[in-house]
Amino acid sequence: DAKTTQPNSMESNEEEPVHLPCNHSTISGTDYIHWYRQLPSQGPEYVIHGLTSNVNNRMASLAIAEDRKSSTLILHRATLRDAAVYYCILRDRGAGGTSYGKLTFGQGTILTVHP
Amino acid sequence: GAVVSQHPSRVICKSGTSVKIECRSLDFQATTMFWYRQFPKKSLMLMATSNEGSKATYEQGVEKDKFLINHASLTLSTLTVTSAHPEDSSFYICSAIRDQRSGEQFFGPGTRLTVL
Repeated sequence: DAKTTQPNSMESNEEEPVHLPCNHSTISGTDYIHWYRQLPSQGPEYVIHGLTSNVNNRMASLAIAEDRKSSTLILHRATLRDAAVYYCILRDRGAGGTSYGKLTFGQGTILTVHP
Repeated sequence: GAVVSQHPSRVICKSGTSVKIECRSLDFQATTMFWYRQFPKKSLMLMATSNEGSKATYEQGVEKDKFLINHASLTLSTLTVTSAHPEDSSFYICSAIRDQRSGEQFFGPGTRLTVL
């Protein structure tokens, strides 16, 4: 599986934007970029995913570099509830054109949000 | 949104006993489910991939006879920790794929297992 590299930790102030970087220089052409987050003692929560184009949803935005070797998860206005471990994961597309590959978690980025 | 549940949320058992953990997809059918284990302050480690109607695929180093996985229906997968020992104490998390095309995957809330 292609690897991702994320900073161990980041800090933000409440109501400020947060940009969480992820490097994935060995990404293959069919790897999706997934972001999940995990609050303490809970299962991971899906945040967003993309392939080539930037993506937006109600939780966040995902900016993907043109060469796809890096991406950035953007939380537009951080809240205290956004404090979590954020995982950037590459998932390969399975046979037959479906995205099936398993999610392999790295260490993620611990995001601390200050009031 | 899609919901995946786990039962029980926490369990304490004596060494040598077996413990069954259930994972259910509540509003969608899941042909594929995954089981993860997470130790304190560590990341999730994939244990096995569970496919409905077939044998589970275990990751390297995971004992299939110790961690029995059954995926008998499209909404239920079970993980049985057999002859549990204190070193099996961990946070067990399941997940299910809702959309095979996108790989959209949802996680359960986890089960805290403590083996005395």
